Amino acid sequence: GQNIDQPTEMTATEGAIVQINCTYQTSGFNGLFWYQQHAGEAPTFLSYNVLDGLEEKGRFSSFLSRSKGYSYLLLKELQMKDSASYLCAVRDRANTGFQKLVFGTGTRLLVSP
Amino acid sequence: ETGVTQTPRHLVMGMTNKKSLKCEQHLGHNAMYWYKQSAKKPLELMFVYNFKEQTENNSVPSRFSPECPNSSHLFLHLHTLQPEDSALYLCASSPQRNQPQHFGDGTRLSIL
Repeated sequence: GQNIDQPTEMTATEGAIVQINCTYQTSGFNGLFWYQQHAGEAPTFLSYNVLDGLEEKGRFSSFLSRSKGYSYLLLKELQMKDSASYLCAVRDRANTGFQKLVFGTGTRLLVSP
Repeated sequence: ETGVTQTPRHLVMGMTNKKSLKCEQHLGHNAMYWYKQSAKKPLELMFVYNFKEQTENNSVPSRFSPECPNSSHLFLHLHTLQPEDSALYLCASSPQRNQPQHFGDGTRLSIL
């Protein structure tokens, strides 16, 4: 079966660093996406990893270990606006033309002053 | 503004009603998707269209009927829904290969 695990909720303080973990067990693997979703809004793309290692994009970084079925999203210098849900999604096969993504339940991050 | 527009934003309907959700994308993408998002559950993929052809139907009940008249427009026709169908319905689109999906803001559907 397909299984993506993320913590349900995390809290952190403004200015701090937080790491959101995601572990996956899927029938195949062709990339992992992280999305941010504010309440009542569309999920928006944050990062994509297909090879092992760290991808850095400003305050956000994402790491992937394919052998461990593990990824994390690292958020630095937290701001109040970072309070949102963070969705981990795995592309389980290499379709051409479209993607079939398997999503985790999302991690709700609450940033306090 | 994500480039994917969904209407209506909110919909309340009775179990015997028929309604349609609409999605439009102005990004030139070839693939379009319908997802269901319920509280405390993962986003569930319902349907995928690639160049107007349906490529995925994830065992969705027949009371949900998708339609894709062209690569820019996607509809979800609803008929005789159940209370458990109350959820946020998200539309997304993507270009080919590994580019990310772009999501609309969703339609919040409530079944009375």
